Amino acid sequence: ETGVTQSPTHLIKTRGQQVTLRCSSQSGHNTVSWYQQALGQGPQFIFQYYREEENGRGNFPPRFSGLQFPNYSSELNVNALELDDSALYLCASSLTGERETQYFGPGTRLLVL
Amino acid sequence: AQTVTQSQPEMSVQEAETVTLSCTYDTSESDYYLFWYKQPPSRQMILVIRQEAYKQQNATENRFSVNFQKAAKSFSLKISDSQLGDAAMYFCAYALTNAGKSTFGDGTTLTVKP
Repeated sequence: ETGVTQSPTHLIKTRGQQVTLRCSSQSGHNTVSWYQQALGQGPQFIFQYYREEENGRGNFPPRFSGLQFPNYSSELNVNALELDDSALYLCASSLTGERETQYFGPGTRLLVL
Repeated sequence: AQTVTQSQPEMSVQEAETVTLSCTYDTSESDYYLFWYKQPPSRQMILVIRQEAYKQQNATENRFSVNFQKAAKSFSLKISDSQLGDAAMYFCAYALTNAGKSTFGDGTTLTVKP
C-alpha cells in the first residue's frame, strides 16, 4: 500500500509568482485535503476535494485554488505569492465514509522571498 | 466554531517514564472524532490515536492511551514507557464525523531525556 506522496519537497519563489504543489493520495483514498502549517503552529485547513470538486474551504483567499484528478491526485495552486505564504503545505487523504481520519504526506516547504 | 487548545507548549520526560499531554476543545456538535498526531522533525504528520466521541471507552494503541472526558471537553494523551523516538511535536485535532476538515491545536513539543 502506497502512502501519501507530495512534490516537490522544497521550493523557493519570489513575491508575486505562482506555485503549484502536487499530491498523490494513499491507495484507495478518494478525498484529499490541503493544509498550511506556519512555523511553530498547527496546520490550518485550506480546502478539501472529493470527486474532483471542492468540498469545503477554510479561511483562505481565492488565490489559493486546487484541482483533483480522476486518479484522486490533487494540486494546490497559489497565485500572487506573498511573504506570509511561506509555510509547510500538507496534503492529507482519506476514505469516503471515514473522511475524518486523514493520512498525511511529508509536506512541501515553500519559501517566498 | 470549533477550537482546540493545547496549553503546554513544551513537555519533557525521562526515558522509560510516563508523560501526559493535555488538550481541551470546544464544540456544540455531538458527532465527532478527536485525534493525536505526532510530527517528528522530519515533519511527516503521523496518526497516533483516535477517539470517537460516542464511545465511552478510552482508546489505546500500545504505549499510547487517551483520557477522554466528554463533558469537560478534555482529551489528554498518555505515553507510557517513553522512548527516545517519541520525541516530536504532538498535535491534538478535532473533526466532525466523515468531514475531511480537521481543526488542530498549536502543538506540544515533547523532549525525551536519556
